[in-house]
Amino acid sequence: EAAVTQSPRSKVAVTGGKVTLSCHQTNNHDYMYWYRQDTGHGLRLIHYSYVADSTEKGDIPDGYKASRPSQENFSLILELASLSQTAVYFCASSLWGGDEQYFGPGTRLTVL
Amino acid sequence: GQQVKQSSPSLTVQEGGILILNCDYENDMFDYFAWYKKYPDNSPTLLISVRSNVDKREDGRFTVFLNKSGKHFSLHITASQPEDTAVYLCAAGATQGTGSKLSFGKGAKLTVSP
Repeated sequence: EAAVTQSPRSKVAVTGGKVTLSCHQTNNHDYMYWYRQDTGHGLRLIHYSYVADSTEKGDIPDGYKASRPSQENFSLILELASLSQTAVYFCASSLWGGDEQYFGPGTRLTVL
Repeated sequence: GQQVKQSSPSLTVQEGGILILNCDYENDMFDYFAWYKKYPDNSPTLLISVRSNVDKREDGRFTVFLNKSGKHFSLHITASQPEDTAVYLCAAGATQGTGSKLSFGKGAKLTVSP
């Protein structure tokens, strides 16, 4: 059974609209991450969290917010979606910062 | 700037051959180094990792070498197989203390031809 799940798996959004991507993990991990994947850029870290009710900025946080209401759940919020945010988004979890990361299946977001 | 730089974005090797993927990093504090494998339309999975207290780790056909003085680590794949065809992502991070995270390279697409 998948330990990191993401919803939705794909989404089409309009420019300027609000988008919320959700991630749920059953690994009992403290660390959770949001990455975006673009061709030629690999995985870039947007936000991450190592404890509930607290989030940290990653390498490319502009235009994104994150929310960690519980150990199991981590959301990525695009308040005003833009064309440049079209990408595949991966959520991941790990027991601690220097440990193996377990990735969700990804969410393909298209902003029109 | 990019903290982990991965060279050779695309490589082709014949089945049975040996392949070397390279990664350079900038941060002296990095003490954890990993290689992830990603198939198209799938999520990345950990292939092999090593901590800075060793300079080599082997797991079957896969070996990671770490050169701390040169801020460089590499993945060697022997006896390449068609199922090795994938994108390989290197990652590194400073893992001490809370709030640590990994930086990923841009990925290298490997094709193993029959």
